[in-house]
Amino acid sequence: DTEVTQTPKHLVMGMTNKKSLKCEQHMGHRAMYWYKQKAKKPPELMFVYSYEKLSINESVPSRFSPECPNSSLLNLHLHALQPEDSALYLCASSQEGPVGEQYFGPGTRLTVT
Amino acid sequence: ILNVEQSPQSLHVQEGDSTNFTCSFPSSNFYALHWYRWETAKSPEALFVMTLNGDEKKKGRISATLNTKEGYSYLYIKGSQPEDSATYLCAPFSGNTGKLIFGQGTTLQVKP
Repeated sequence: DTEVTQTPKHLVMGMTNKKSLKCEQHMGHRAMYWYKQKAKKPPELMFVYSYEKLSINESVPSRFSPECPNSSLLNLHLHALQPEDSALYLCASSQEGPVGEQYFGPGTRLTVT
Repeated sequence: ILNVEQSPQSLHVQEGDSTNFTCSFPSSNFYALHWYRWETAKSPEALFVMTLNGDEKKKGRISATLNTKEGYSYLYIKGSQPEDSATYLCAPFSGNTGKLIFGQGTTLQVKP
């Protein structure tokens, strides 16, 4: 199974809502990632988890809160988002290290109203 | 900051044409270079991961070369097909930060 799944596919939320994005992989990968992608731009790294511990936080605002409950799951908790946070949120996983190719999920299209 | 440049930004070719694009990156502290293909409405998909200077990798009609001394990689597509239409992203692995740094991508459109 080389699939990374993400739910939901689409999410519309108001600025006062709290929601969560979910990501799952069963490839035994110990590195998991959250990326944000805006139109016509490359994916922009937000967070990296390595062996279930947060290893990279790209100075992301605290209204985004990642969580890695176990080696297969990655969540992104959203609270008090702004309209400019509307984007495609991609999850990926890989083997650790520089040669681990990343497997991406289909993404969650988030719209903040 | 690792500066990754891809050219051209976009490319339109006819079916059957061969094409190539470039990824340039700082050559110091090199670890690996990744190439990804991103088709519309799909997830980015890894094409190649390259580590050695002079390395050449091939997958079907797509191949890539790597020059770590001068800091560039070429991606070639032989006999382009409409299904090759996608954005091609290169991403060197930054040893300083421990993460991939994605270029802006080259968007290829192949007309039947």
